[in-house]
Amino acid sequence: AQSVTQPDIHITVSEGASLELRCNYSYGATPYLFWYVQSPGQGLQLLLKYFSGDTLVQGIKGFEAEFKRSQSSFNLRKPSVHWSDAAEYFCAVLTGTASKLTFGTGTRLQVTL
Amino acid sequence: GAVVSQHPSRVICKSGTSVKIECRSLDFQATTMFWYRQFPKKSLMLMATSNEGSKATYEQGVEKDKFLINHASLTLSTLTVTSAHPEDSSFYICSARDHSSGNTIYFGEGSWLTVV
Repeated sequence: AQSVTQPDIHITVSEGASLELRCNYSYGATPYLFWYVQSPGQGLQLLLKYFSGDTLVQGIKGFEAEFKRSQSSFNLRKPSVHWSDAAEYFCAVLTGTASKLTFGTGTRLQVTL
Repeated sequence: GAVVSQHPSRVICKSGTSVKIECRSLDFQATTMFWYRQFPKKSLMLMATSNEGSKATYEQGVEKDKFLINHASLTLSTLTVTSAHPEDSSFYICSARDHSSGNTIYFGEGSWLTVV
């Protein structure tokens, strides 16, 4: 069965510092991968997605992610974090003909000034 | 980008009553929509897959008679929580699959349900 692991429950970074959020997946076929961000009390906003092609994908708000098949990873990065990036980040994999999203447990990002 | 809208964003209802939450895809047609429940500081739990023109597919452990899902058109799915109880209080989020952009799935803003 497919699964998504986000090893870091909570990460704190200083504003202006670089960020990397880890995501590992387990899925037998080529995965469709997503990163979403959720602010408190809000829905989920799509940051970026990987379906095929270039393994480095660019998203909104200056985020990027790199798909590494050999490591079954899809880590999210940002060169310089802004205070407004503080939120919950979810990695997800799309599986099966029913197109169900399997979510990781999320990583809460705190940004210190 | 594609937009999915939920309504209402917040609702309070009395125990024993029913409440309906709407999920609309505003600029694309969605044959498949999904309903999730999210507990505080937790990840999303898929409740059911809503299929336009057919019955919803419920995840294991989700009561289909309590959480009624209707997907009457390509842009609207509704979740009705019947005979609501305080333990049904939660954040409910829908999502919709946009076929025109491959398999991208967009989420609504979520609906807070409080049962008193």
